[in-house]
Amino acid sequence: DGGITQSPKYLFRKEGQNVTLSCEQNLNHDAMYWYRQDPGQGLRLIYYSQIVNDFQKGDIAEGYSVSREKKESFPLTVTSAQKNPTAFYLCASSIWVKNTEAFFGQGTRLTVV
Amino acid sequence: QQPVQSPQAVILREGEDAVINCSSSKALYSVHWYRQKHGEAPVFLMILLKGGEQKGHEKISASFNEKKQQSSLYLTASQLSYSGTYFCGTESDKNSGGSNYKLTFGKGTLLTVNP
Repeated sequence: DGGITQSPKYLFRKEGQNVTLSCEQNLNHDAMYWYRQDPGQGLRLIYYSQIVNDFQKGDIAEGYSVSREKKESFPLTVTSAQKNPTAFYLCASSIWVKNTEAFFGQGTRLTVV
Repeated sequence: QQPVQSPQAVILREGEDAVINCSSSKALYSVHWYRQKHGEAPVFLMILLKGGEQKGHEKISASFNEKKQQSSLYLTASQLSYSGTYFCGTESDKNSGGSNYKLTFGKGTLLTVNP
């Protein structure tokens, strides 16, 4: 079955540690996105990528980093510089960046203690 | 900049209608609508493009007023399954200085349908 897979579903880390969230898609989509979801804040865009080896900062990129070495994969690293990393993270992909629907993964809930 | 959604929350009885609004300060190229149930991924409902297009999906339809940079989602004869949080996502028109490659979402509208 085609889709987007995020892993793990739940992740716990100690403060000060970097952590990488996985996002893989087998839909052959060009564009991929990372969003952060906090209660009452909606979905806020962290990073997005239109093609391999290229990505753009979203609205809240500080403290995060990404890579796009393969079309299928778009991992997100939450660094120790992110001041409030505890949140629900959603990855999405679409055929092209504009004008097409986005498909979302099931999300990763990150808790930093 | 996030589009603004209203109302923040609405409670309906089964069979009632609701309207959810989405507005932006930037000229828009398109508006997307998604529904998210608690603990699940957002699910696509529809896209509306610049040109004032109106679309429908079962008993859920939407309009896009590009002059006002607004979109409205209409839910008629609501069903229990309509409950969830509705998000609008917007892509800004390149001519307004925005990037029409960036999909930005509002804060969401929580819809609760009771029996």
